[in-house]
Amino acid sequence: VLTQSPATLALSPGQRASLSCRASQTVNTYLAWYQQKPGQAPRLLIYDASHRATGIPARFSGSGSGTDFTLTISSLEPDDFAVYYCQQRSKWSPDTFGQGTKLEIK
Amino acid sequence: EMQLVEFGGGVVQPGRSLRLSCAASGIVFDDYAMHWVRQAPGKGLEWVAGISWNSRGAGYADSVKGRFTVSRDNAKNSLFLQMNTLRPEDTALYFCAKDMSQHYDTGGYGFDLWGQGTMVIVSS
Repeated sequence: VLTQSPATLALSPGQRASLSCRASQTVNTYLAWYQQKPGQAPRLLIYDASHRATGIPARFSGSGSGTDFTLTISSLEPDDFAVYYCQQRSKWSPDTFGQGTKLEIK
Repeated sequence: EMQLVEFGGGVVQPGRSLRLSCAASGIVFDDYAMHWVRQAPGKGLEWVAGISWNSRGAGYADSVKGRFTVSRDNAKNSLFLQMNTLRPEDTALYFCAKDMSQHYDTGGYGFDLWGQGTMVIVSS
């Protein structure tokens, strides 16, 4: 089970965002992060906990291993307000997603 | 342009079947594992099923195991999801997604290309 917190995060453009994802058992670094905007498909941001996907801006970064992971957006831009999901890709259990964190404009 | 397009969704009665398809273009389809992910209205993402590049491995979420079957036709760059004994709780937007890896259960990587989804509504 993946638990994301907070459920909702209200920040202003230019601020730093830290989103948390906690696994109920270790997933090594087999964790990905996605961004989803209303009416759109998810977009891969980070894979293997800390590797940025192709074309993803450097303000997005991922960290963590084992059971605790963080997605950080260093300086929020208006386009970053969306829902973010983590996904565990452990070899030993089916893929699962967290319930999501909604990042909204304050 | 790399693209995935799903089709085959619709309204179906509980207990009936439906087959979804996903057509890939602009990618070397048989180099990658593929997956189905669904999203119920207003809810989060749920992984449904995955299949390795050569169809020799496939896996399912517990919620669909025994009812859904994933398959692929590499010659036609196509992915399929056969859904049997449908339930109201299967109502969702179904996305097909490309894995960065060859095997659906490699560990790590992510889904780097998604379609726009096809809606399935299970209702009497």
